[in-house]
Amino acid sequence: QQPVQSPQAVILREGEDAVINCSSSKALYSVHWYRQKHGEAPVFLMILLKGGEQMRHEKISASFNEKKQQSSLYLTASQLSYSGTYFCGTPDYNQGGKLIFGQGTELSVKP
Amino acid sequence: EPEVTQTPSHQVTQMGQEVILRCVPISNHLYFYWYRQILGQKVEFLVSFYNNEISEKSEIFDDQFSVERPDGSNFTLKIRSTKLEDSAMYFCARSGTSGGALTDTQYFGPGTRLTVL
Repeated sequence: QQPVQSPQAVILREGEDAVINCSSSKALYSVHWYRQKHGEAPVFLMILLKGGEQMRHEKISASFNEKKQQSSLYLTASQLSYSGTYFCGTPDYNQGGKLIFGQGTELSVKP
Repeated sequence: EPEVTQTPSHQVTQMGQEVILRCVPISNHLYFYWYRQILGQKVEFLVSFYNNEISEKSEIFDDQFSVERPDGSNFTLKIRSTKLEDSAMYFCARSGTSGGALTDTQYFGPGTRLTVL
């Protein structure tokens, strides 16, 4: 089942904060966060495995709620380089670990 | 340094032609994946490959698609008779250095942009 991301798009001024949410109707095994610049491949940011876990990548952090049904990505003091589309992905339980991605959140940071 | 390399970076082909996209892992890994991304849309799973065999394929991965690891190194995705709707970015990804497909990070290659005219 595809995770649902919100919002679909965010426009920020440099230095502002943003939160991107990734939700599912059932517990997720793990959540993988990626950032993709236009015309490039998705770049791995971080993975959350445990309910209540928090992770950090530079000034970007993420949390995974206790029920493992929601993850949030926190971008603080945003930089121009943060611009891109952020995807959350969750592996399929069944086999092979394929990632099922949300529809993406487009983040634009303006000077 | 990329975890995998992909060639070509851009492929333009005529509808009905066959294309082969290549993925070269930098080091040995257990799991390989092909994903597709139509312009402006999300990344979609095509097929996973484990221990030189297909472990799972999506509905998109119909009879026109095939994957091989012909020499134990390069990993190829073949589209036999391309359609206009096959135009997309195709990404190869790898994971599973420890065998935990559900918890290992997937690293994406730079992608091949396929344009079908």
